[in-house]
Amino acid sequence: QKEVEQNSGPLSVPEGAIASLNCTYSDRGSQSFFWYRQYSGKSPELIMSIYSNGDKEDGRFTAQLNKASQYVSLLIRDSQPSDSATYLCAVNADGTSYGKLTFGQGTILTVHP
Amino acid sequence: GAGVSQSPRYKVAKRGQDVALRCDPISGHVSLFWYQQALGQGPEFLTYFQNEAQLDKSGLPSDRFFAERPEGSVSTLKIQRTQQEDSAVYLCASSPGTSVSSYEQYFGPGTRLTVT
Repeated sequence: QKEVEQNSGPLSVPEGAIASLNCTYSDRGSQSFFWYRQYSGKSPELIMSIYSNGDKEDGRFTAQLNKASQYVSLLIRDSQPSDSATYLCAVNADGTSYGKLTFGQGTILTVHP
Repeated sequence: GAGVSQSPRYKVAKRGQDVALRCDPISGHVSLFWYQQALGQGPEFLTYFQNEAQLDKSGLPSDRFFAERPEGSVSTLKIQRTQQEDSAVYLCASSPGTSVSSYEQYFGPGTRLTVT
């Protein structure tokens, strides 16, 4: 079992819809969780971080964390074609004290007009 | 302010050559990470520096890989005797500190290494 798993894609949604991206992790000691967006040929760009159970909203993005279920998700409201990218879930696994990240394999999101 | 920069952006090496990849982190960032990203995969951890100290090199794939950060700012990842399986994008990331609230990592543009 991979340490960080993301829902298999690609995911295609119409413009204006809600895109839901999911991620599970295996290390119960994980403390911090991140979502990165990566456009084709570019490097990962941090879009959300979440450290405690519950929801965290930033603009059109909402991250949800459930440590008991070892589950983190990202919702994108009012999806735009510019949101089309690969979304990477990253977890501070191994209980390290400096933020070493383990990434999922990524979910490709396509928002079609 | 300026983000993380990396050079070169692209590198083509013949099998057996040595290469050096440079990373300039965000000014003042204590933590520096190197990751390797294969096509279609998420980045994989290679090594970590806290200031000039290399505290974790558990992800380096072989003893041909070596990294340093002698003055606690710029870092260099060196690969000796490159092999075709070393072809990947090498990403550098930095974060402000070592507490949970400062774990957010910011990535440079990466160096795409192709070994022929």
